[in-house]
Amino acid sequence: NAGVTQTPKFQVLKTGQSMTLQCAQDMNHEYMSWYRQDPGMGLRLIHYSVGAGITDQGEVPNGYNVSRSTTEDFPLRLLSAAPSQTSVYFCASSPSDQGAPGGELFFGEGSRLTVL
Amino acid sequence: AQSVTQPDIHITVSEGASLELRCNYSYGATPYLFWYVQSPGQGLQLLLKYFSGDTLVQGIKGFEAEFKRSQSSFNLRKPSVHWSDAAEYFCAADSWGKLQFGAGTQVVVTP
Repeated sequence: NAGVTQTPKFQVLKTGQSMTLQCAQDMNHEYMSWYRQDPGMGLRLIHYSVGAGITDQGEVPNGYNVSRSTTEDFPLRLLSAAPSQTSVYFCASSPSDQGAPGGELFFGEGSRLTVL
Repeated sequence: AQSVTQPDIHITVSEGASLELRCNYSYGATPYLFWYVQSPGQGLQLLLKYFSGDTLVQGIKGFEAEFKRSQSSFNLRKPSVHWSDAAEYFCAADSWGKLQFGAGTQVVVTP
């Protein structure tokens, strides 16, 4: 059972480039989310989804887009990367049947992004 | 504004000694409360959670946490730490379906 899989693990971009961070889970979880982790700031919620076709903004959504066409996948898109988006990104899913955490979040191993 | 505060950025503890990590929350109503651990280069793993009921919660890896409503606190404890407990620990609160994390406490374990 793979759990939550993120790719790539490392990426270096130049300012203005675009890219997509991939996230897939094989646990049939309805809830999926993206966080960014920065030193001294913990994890901050970027976007989340309570099911296929439904997405919503978190605490820091600017500069990021998401879509949820299937239950399994929740890609995060950076349309025009900026140095402020240098961070470690985590995808997480939850089995909560309320469609939101109230239960355990299962995390991927993270994707480290550097924007030059 | 809602917030989760971990007052200690960094704690150093000797192997075999006890450990207590502090967490305070500021919410209108008592949120769901969690402790997660992050080992180097890894994602986060749930240690324990509090929804309601017994204010002393047992978790994995020998950790426990105590909820104190009067102090808006949810402190994590372990009676005797092992070298493998060296990691970063995050307190989190969930209100209305959005999980908010504290800034984390880095725990270093010395021989």
